[in-house]
Amino acid sequence: DVKVTQSSRYLVKRTGEKVFLECVQDMDHENMFWYRQDPGLGLRLIYFSYDVKMKEKGDIPEGYSVSREKKERFSLILESASTNQTSMYLCASSIQGVNEKLFFGSGTQLSVL
Amino acid sequence: GNSVTQMEGPVTLSEEAFLTINCTYTATGYPSLFWYVQYPGEGLQLLLKATKADDKGSNKGFEATYRKETTSFHLEKGSVQVSDSAVYFCALSKAAGNKLTFGGGTRVLVKP
Repeated sequence: DVKVTQSSRYLVKRTGEKVFLECVQDMDHENMFWYRQDPGLGLRLIYFSYDVKMKEKGDIPEGYSVSREKKERFSLILESASTNQTSMYLCASSIQGVNEKLFFGSGTQLSVL
Repeated sequence: GNSVTQMEGPVTLSEEAFLTINCTYTATGYPSLFWYVQYPGEGLQLLLKATKADDKGSNKGFEATYRKETTSFHLEKGSVQVSDSAVYFCALSKAAGNKLTFGGGTRVLVKP
């Protein structure tokens, strides 16, 4: 069974901390994505990557960065966490050229106090 | 730019009731349209899709028809079950290989 695994289900951090959210997929997918999910706003794309060591900004990249050193792993980094980054973070992957069928992880609920 | 608008929830129904979730979109050209579903505690998964006008996508008893004239892709199911309780997201893609744009999601609660 295909799988996208996010390292934590719940995370509580303090304002100003550097936060790492990890995502691993076992499907050998080229494409990986980070979204945040907020009530009423749906999913908004933060960053995505079509290949190892490459990244592209999504719709709301401010305050975030990403790292993709290996094909199966895509990390989201909050350089200095703020309360407005409290959200559900979803990682997804897809095969090359087929971004419509995304496979999602179960999410990380991040609370920044 | 592209956008997707869904009816706000929550939608509360009794088992075996008829479900409709409205979705309209704004995009130039001929986007592909999708419905994703998120069951409690899980990630989103693709429910159905339609890639051109008048296409009907269907899966698990759900259906949606791509209506170009009304820029809509409403989701319907004739008889819902408690297990259909979830959040449903409408989405579009401008072209094959392009990123998805999601709507705000509609929470559906089906009571026995």
